Amino acid sequence: DADVTQTPRNRITKTGKRIMLECSQTKGHDRMYWYRQDPGLGLRLIYYSFDVKDINKGEISDGYSVSRQAQAKFSLSLESAIPNQTALYFCATSDLPMNGRETGELFFGEGSRLTVL
Amino acid sequence: AQTVTQSQPEMSVQEAETVTLSCTYDTSESNYYLFWYKQPPSRQMILVIRQEAYKQQNATENRFSVNFQKAAKSFSLKISDSQLGDTAMYFCAFNAGNMLTFGGGTRLMVKP
Repeated sequence: DADVTQTPRNRITKTGKRIMLECSQTKGHDRMYWYRQDPGLGLRLIYYSFDVKDINKGEISDGYSVSRQAQAKFSLSLESAIPNQTALYFCATSDLPMNGRETGELFFGEGSRLTVL
Repeated sequence: AQTVTQSQPEMSVQEAETVTLSCTYDTSESNYYLFWYKQPPSRQMILVIRQEAYKQQNATENRFSVNFQKAAKSFSLKISDSQLGDTAMYFCAFNAGNMLTFGGGTRLMVKP
């Protein structure tokens, strides 16, 4: 089983619908992230969380919200989906700094492809 | 804010040959990490190689190596003896604190 699991893997929805993408991890990491991938733009950070009580906006948080239900679970919601939110979404985790230094490595889920019609 | 630029949207290479993917970044930080991630058609993000900015020696992982030029803020990836399985999107990424910033990606096609 994957260490970082995203559901659903693929989803087609209509404009205005509420969508939730879920992420769970078995790595025991405190830090979790949601990224969005668009062609030519790479991956852009939507939200990140360093523990259950810590939620931070990333580069492109407008139109999105998140919930950190537990250390292992981090959900991304689109309250009212629009076509330009069609993208590949990735959840990722990272560990705490080692010896006071960030290693920076992220561990990714397999992605959730969302299409908004 | 940090930015990462990959100036080659697409590249191709013959099997068994060598190819170099370019990456430049902009930062005012002095200590940071640089990464190359590979994304094959399966869309999984796979770490290829990592470089710590305070280390002068270029990182190497089997057929993958980097040319890290800190003063020029350049971090290129060299793939030697290219294999068909190297066909993928490659992303350069930068971390100076709490999160990764990615470049736009380079699509690499290895031709038989």
